[in-house]
Amino acid sequence: ETGVTQTPRHLVMGMTNKKSLKCEQHLGHNAMYWYKQSAKKPLELMFVYSLEERVENNSVPSRFSPECPNSSHLFLHLHTLQPEDSALYLCASSQDRSVNTEAFFGQGTRLTVV
Amino acid sequence: AQKITQTQPGMFVQEKEAVTLDCTYDTSDPSYGLFWYKQPSSGEMIFLIYQGSYDQQNATEGRYSLNFQKARKSANLVISASQLGDSAMYFCAMREDRISSGSARQLTFGSGTQLTVLP
Repeated sequence: ETGVTQTPRHLVMGMTNKKSLKCEQHLGHNAMYWYKQSAKKPLELMFVYSLEERVENNSVPSRFSPECPNSSHLFLHLHTLQPEDSALYLCASSQDRSVNTEAFFGQGTRLTVV
Repeated sequence: AQKITQTQPGMFVQEKEAVTLDCTYDTSDPSYGLFWYKQPSSGEMIFLIYQGSYDQQNATEGRYSLNFQKARKSANLVISASQLGDSAMYFCAMREDRISSGSARQLTFGSGTQLTVLP
């Protein structure tokens, strides 16, 4: 496998459910990111992991909980979400050594909270 | 202040014609990189082209070229010979060299331009 893979592609969950989004990269990158993309809004950076340590948390509500067990895997644990959390969640990875390294994205998980 | 500004929410272009998608940016960091991504309706973000702040020449990648005007802080994407498959959302993004927090350089995105290629 190559690139960045996200599962599931689609997820519908109730507000009391607990679910997890998974991201896997096989590019040997040392940084991984979670972005949220809501309709008609720019991509919002949620979390950044560099060398498996969380280095950025952009005021994301605690109902979103990231986990990075190793450099290839990134999870986003979800619990007691709200309908406004419905969005496309994108995972990305990059080799964080300079400005000229592009980020590679997965296909995203389209989340609907009902 | 917004770091990346894309002022065209939607653009239309006739097939086989060229189109320019606008992007302006704001940074005080002398070292930065500018990126363009394409997002089809499937959702995946596809990297198209990169321009470094110190690059002397405009970047080109097949039918994509970047019109980089450093003094104006603009990095417009030019797509030549548009194809129907070019219909998608296009995002401009920037990565600054200066690390403001933690130890990872972040990509900051604009709000995007929805391009529709007409047959």
